[in-house]
Amino acid sequence: DIQLTQSPSFLSASVGDRVTITCRASQGLGNYLAWYQQKPGKAPKLLIYLASTLQSGVPSRFSGSGSGTEFTLTISSLQPEDFAIYYCQQVNTYPRTFGQGTKVEIK
Amino acid sequence: QVQLQESGPGLMKPSETLSLTCTLSGDSMRNYYWSWIRQPPGKGLEWIGYAHYSGISNYNPSLKSRLTLLVDRSKNQLSLNLRSVTAADTAIYYCARGGTYDSSGYSLDSWGPGTLVTVSS
Repeated sequence: DIQLTQSPSFLSASVGDRVTITCRASQGLGNYLAWYQQKPGKAPKLLIYLASTLQSGVPSRFSGSGSGTEFTLTISSLQPEDFAIYYCQQVNTYPRTFGQGTKVEIK
Repeated sequence: QVQLQESGPGLMKPSETLSLTCTLSGDSMRNYYWSWIRQPPGKGLEWIGYAHYSGISNYNPSLKSRLTLLVDRSKNQLSLNLRSVTAADTAIYYCARGGTYDSSGYSLDSWGPGTLVTVSS
């Protein structure tokens, strides 16, 4: 199975901060990577697919980049509603796998 | 707008068979990869597998020997059957729509709210 390692696992940030989360894959994925946001008690929500394509309805402060084995999710200016856990998922091979998650908390 | 809703037993005993249903509204079952994902309380996400409208399916090898996923086109429902459950199967179970390459790059673009299944003697 392809392993995805997110860093950091936890970050503390303030409203307005620029935040970057990294996802590293154990083998090349091309651009077959997605990012999800999960808030407490809720299902995950798709933010980014194919590494850099913004899902419809997702604010433009979210962006994704990368290819191969290294990917990043960036929030350009953190808003109060962005405090959540973020997961990457590879959709290149089966079984699909997720990163362990990055929890973004208020500083 | 697609909506998904899971339903299941809530509490069950070890060695029983878990049966979950996911009802779809607002969309056709055609073309998509109807998927299941689970999340143990306080932990990360695990992909279980998918069933396609065409009848094809793909399962996580870690669960394959105990798992059956089906699509019922007449009822617009997905089903999950997991045999011989143990406490390790305790989790929130989500159904989700896996998109095509063009719609969402094979990502999971719509999710149900999830249903908690607890396995305890």
